[in-house]
Amino acid sequence: QSALTQPASMSGSPGQSITISCTGTSSDVGNYDRVSWYQHYPGKGPKLIIYEDTKRPSGVSDRFSGSKSGNTASLTISGLQAEDEADYSCCSYAGPITWVFGGGTKLTVL
Amino acid sequence: DVQLVESGGGLMQPGGSLRLSCVTSEFTSEFTFSTYNLNWLRQAPGKGLEWVSYIGGGYSIYYADSVKGRFTISRDNAKRSLFLQINSLTADDTAVYYCATDRDWAFDHWGRGTLVTVSS
Repeated sequence: QSALTQPASMSGSPGQSITISCTGTSSDVGNYDRVSWYQHYPGKGPKLIIYEDTKRPSGVSDRFSGSKSGNTASLTISGLQAEDEADYSCCSYAGPITWVFGGGTKLTVL
Repeated sequence: DVQLVESGGGLMQPGGSLRLSCVTSEFTSEFTFSTYNLNWLRQAPGKGLEWVSYIGGGYSIYYADSVKGRFTISRDNAKRSLFLQINSLTADDTAVYYCATDRDWAFDHWGRGTLVTVSS
């Protein structure tokens, strides 16, 4: 069982927006502004798309945005595109020098 | 951009040992590599990602509780390489193992991973 809770799967149509939730505890998500999100295609390494709760690395589309309230972080993908079909994982720093992940969400673009 | 390539995985017997390696681009200087914080993570079949171990640029080392005592992380800056020694393999160690750099409390560059299968 993963430390952070994500929905196992979600789906959406092209152009729609979807929000993936990630629920932790007051020891991880709620204690640090250090939630990150990863996009993962089969056979490839994960790609960082959000860090420090809300920040986007250079080169990541602004269709991806992160937010957090209490012990729950969220990833919103707006204007869904076929290429967004992938697995998405959340991660929280849980200090000192330890991280916890969610179980991953498989996103299907209908 | 940082390129990472893992190797050393394969089919292993329970109770055995293996050493995973991760090398970065030949175009990365030794000095630059020495400043990277490096990590091993893994993903078991059908499971989420799991952080396994960290080695800082200053050689500070940390492990997940689930692997303490069996896993040893090390680095060779001159060879721009990261290693993970795994002893007393069990079926629970079956996973794709990734190396990754971390910055700003997130894993910003990843390799493609190497598959370790533990089975008799």
